[in-house]
Amino acid sequence: DTGVSQDPRHKITKRGQNVTFRCDPISEHNRLYWYRQTLGQGPEFLTYFQNEAQLEKSRLLSDRFSAERPKGSFSTLEIQRTEQGDSAMYLCASSWSRDRFNYGYTFGSGTRLTVV
Amino acid sequence: QQPVQSPQAVILREGEDAVINCSSSKALYSVHWYRQKHGEAPVFLMILLKGGEQKGHEKISASFNEKKQQSSLYLTASQLSYSGTYFCGTDRSDSGTYKYIFGTGTRLKVLA
Repeated sequence: DTGVSQDPRHKITKRGQNVTFRCDPISEHNRLYWYRQTLGQGPEFLTYFQNEAQLEKSRLLSDRFSAERPKGSFSTLEIQRTEQGDSAMYLCASSWSRDRFNYGYTFGSGTRLTVV
Repeated sequence: QQPVQSPQAVILREGEDAVINCSSSKALYSVHWYRQKHGEAPVFLMILLKGGEQKGHEKISASFNEKKQQSSLYLTASQLSYSGTYFCGTDRSDSGTYKYIFGTGTRLKVLA
C-alpha cells in the first residue's frame, strides 16, 4: 500500500473557477477526513466520511464546498466559484477507527490551491 | 474549541530537552502527536489511548492524563531533525459523532 494519495499536488486557478481534488485513502481504513491548512496554522477540520457516509461537515464551510466518497473508496472535494480566501493546503487523511478511537491516522501530501 | 498547546514556540540548542503540553476543555478519549515540517504534511508520531498511558519512541515520549484532559510530549537530547511544528490531535464527540481536531501547534526550532 502506498499510503494516502492526493491529486493534484498543486493547483492554480482564477477566481470564480471551480476546482476538484481527489484523495485515495489507505484501502484498509474506514474513515476519510478533509482538512484545510493555511500558513502557520494547524489543520482545520472540513468534513469526514465513515465508509461512504458523510458524517459531519464543518459549519465553517460555505455551500461552495462539497465532498463525496462514492462506494466508500476515493473521495473528491469540490470548491465552486473559488475565492482568494480559499487559497490553502487541502489535506486528506484516513484512519482505521472503531467506536471513538482512531488508529493509524495517515495524511496525504496535500493539494496546494492558489486562487489568483 | 480546539485543544490549546503550550508553549507556542520554543528554540533549543542541539542536545537540550523540551516539553510540549496539550490541554483540552472537553474530554479527551485519545491523543495523537504529529510533527509537521514546513511545506509537508503532518507525520504521525504516536497515539495514547487511555489515561495514564505513556509511550516513547527513541528520545521522544508522551504521557496522557485523562482526568486533567492533558497530554505532554517530551523531547530529550533534541536533534536538528526535531525541528518543525508539533500538533496534538484528538477525537472530539459532538452530538454523537466523532470528529478529529488538532491543537493550536507548537513551533520547535533546534539550533546546532
